Amino acid sequence: SAVISQKPSRDICQRGTSLTIQCQVDSQVTMMFWYRQQPGQSLTLIATANQGSEATYESGFVIDKFPISRPNLTFSTLTVSNMSPEDSSIYLCSVEVLDSPWTQYFGPGTRLLVL
Amino acid sequence: EDQVTQSPEALRLQEGESSSLNCSYTVSGLRGLFWYRQDPGKGPEFLFTLYSAGEEKEKERLKATLTKKESFLHITAPKPEDSATYLCAVQARGSQGNLIFGKGTKLSVKP
Repeated sequence: SAVISQKPSRDICQRGTSLTIQCQVDSQVTMMFWYRQQPGQSLTLIATANQGSEATYESGFVIDKFPISRPNLTFSTLTVSNMSPEDSSIYLCSVEVLDSPWTQYFGPGTRLLVL
Repeated sequence: EDQVTQSPEALRLQEGESSSLNCSYTVSGLRGLFWYRQDPGKGPEFLFTLYSAGEEKEKERLKATLTKKESFLHITAPKPEDSATYLCAVQARGSQGNLIFGKGTKLSVKP
């Protein structure tokens, strides 16, 4: 498995502003992902964070709204841009590790409230 | 379209009262089915991966089984500390890693 931390753990933001969420892993991982968990809904994949190249976005999510960086094998950021109340959600980072193919381990999440 | 449905949405048990949670899935070629536990205010905690029909995995009071259409999470003699939301997810063969999640079953175990 892996130890995953996210910053911030929670935040309250004003509409129209942007928030950058950080995900740090304690060991090198093969894949990193960003999910969203809206109230009462299931987790939905936003994008796969690719090291050194542009992220791969799922249908319904665009780079202008959710820019992602992954400068190395253990760190990634997700920015939620030009926020609206509909962006209020939990944002989760997950990783795949070498010794557990296909299994994803999740971070503690970032709870975002947009007013 | 790949889809996961979990039932029931909520389940209340007395301590020691065994039961099962259901996860029905539709996927274009299953790579794996995953069970997670999520406590309030925390990220999902990995429990099991199942890869093929007939496979079973156990961990303490939990046992996960898999058929070609569904998976069951059996909880034997549950304790209050087993109270949590249990999430099921599938990953399709050929995907880059997208997990398709169900909405979860919220389990409450009363002493």
